[in-house]
Amino acid sequence: EAGVAQSPRYKIIEKRQSVAFWCNPISGHATLYWYQQILGQGPKLLIQFQNNGVVDDSQLPKDRFSAERLKGVDSTLKIQPAKLEDSAVYLCASSFETSGNFEQFFGPGTRLTVL
Amino acid sequence: GEDVEQSLFLSVREGDSSVINCTYTDSSSTYLYWYKQEPGAGLQLLTYIFSNMDMKQDQRLTVLLNKKDKHLSLRIADTQTGDSAIYFCAEKGSSASKIIFGSGTRLSIRP
Repeated sequence: EAGVAQSPRYKIIEKRQSVAFWCNPISGHATLYWYQQILGQGPKLLIQFQNNGVVDDSQLPKDRFSAERLKGVDSTLKIQPAKLEDSAVYLCASSFETSGNFEQFFGPGTRLTVL
Repeated sequence: GEDVEQSLFLSVREGDSSVINCTYTDSSSTYLYWYKQEPGAGLQLLTYIFSNMDMKQDQRLTVLLNKKDKHLSLRIADTQTGDSAIYFCAEKGSSASKIIFGSGTRLSIRP
């Protein structure tokens, strides 16, 4: 079974530039998550999709971050414009179901450095 | 609000047992998890425990839950060099499926 795929693995940009990350979840997983993991901290949920609908985006800084999951499969996360404090690893995860003991399968992440 | 706390570092000798501790604040937690993160990789679920259990054993891993004190621990028996990683404690409340992660405990193994 193929895992969660993310690209790019690394990205370096200057502040005020834009950047986009891509995620392909495990086939058949209806739920997709984007997390931000700042160095030395645990992952923080940015947004959760079930199919192509948003379940939770309460911690997404909507003035600069946006995400979409067209057709309920792949997802993109965009930052526009980036700030220095956005430097982090952005993790995508997917799960088969949203409730109960669901296991989230994580991708390798995209490490973003904002200069 | 919900919070999960862990100590930042743990160093153990190869072959000894490792015990990683975690405290959480949400008394309505339904599931508690331990994830492992190796360098450059995403998180991998190691084990989980339902909140009505107080212990779960899975090969070298033993999870203990003290719901009264909101304390969770992970014991790794016969620690090996391959166990070097960051271990995250996480909890899931009953009201939503969002998982709250701790800041992680970096486990290092010395010969």
